[in-house]
Amino acid sequence: GESVGLHLPTLSVQEGDNSIINCAYSNSASDYFIWYKQESGKGPQFIIDIRSNMDKRQGQRVTVLLNKTVKHLSLQIAATQPGDSAVYFCAEKTVSGGSNYKLTFGKGTLLTVNP
Amino acid sequence: NAGVTQTPKFQVLKTGQSMTLQCAQDMNHNSMYWYRQDPGMGLRLIYYSASEGTTDKGEVPNGYNVSRLNKREFSLRLESAAPSQTSVYFCASRREDTQYFGPGTRLTVL
Repeated sequence: GESVGLHLPTLSVQEGDNSIINCAYSNSASDYFIWYKQESGKGPQFIIDIRSNMDKRQGQRVTVLLNKTVKHLSLQIAATQPGDSAVYFCAEKTVSGGSNYKLTFGKGTLLTVNP
Repeated sequence: NAGVTQTPKFQVLKTGQSMTLQCAQDMNHNSMYWYRQDPGMGLRLIYYSASEGTTDKGEVPNGYNVSRLNKREFSLRLESAAPSQTSVYFCASRREDTQYFGPGTRLTVL
């Protein structure tokens, strides 16, 4: 079946550096993508989303890039801070059988920010 | 505005015991979801409710039942807990295409 995967399971960066977390998706029919942040012992927290009619979307210190040609999604975090340490995972939305909404989640990348 | 709340935060059960995990949202969302999260597995959908009065199976429904009590509340019940159901359980509600998650219930079945 269709699935969302991540290129790197762990990423370690220095405080102040920029971080890039990658995600590959396989369903060309997916039209909406979300990035979540999950801190230890907490629930996933919405960070940013992007629709398939866009290539780039910016938020506060975060940017999501979508390359539909190679089915690749990335999350860029500018000036990474210790508070950014968490697991980040992407999710893709597909619609099957009319309005049957489905969200498929990747397994996650652990980001560690070193002071 | 509390968002999505879940109770309890932690629970330990013995094999064969039953329990209900509670979830409530105050965002007036129609759709609600129950997931389990296991190491290396990502989030897997157990059951969902597209609207008040309807429920449907997800990817891993065996051993669980749900009740959409009203628009706010969506509960998950384990009738006879098994060690394989040791996991972290997350409830979510959806506005348009985005799901918003609760803080989770960490369940251990001995």
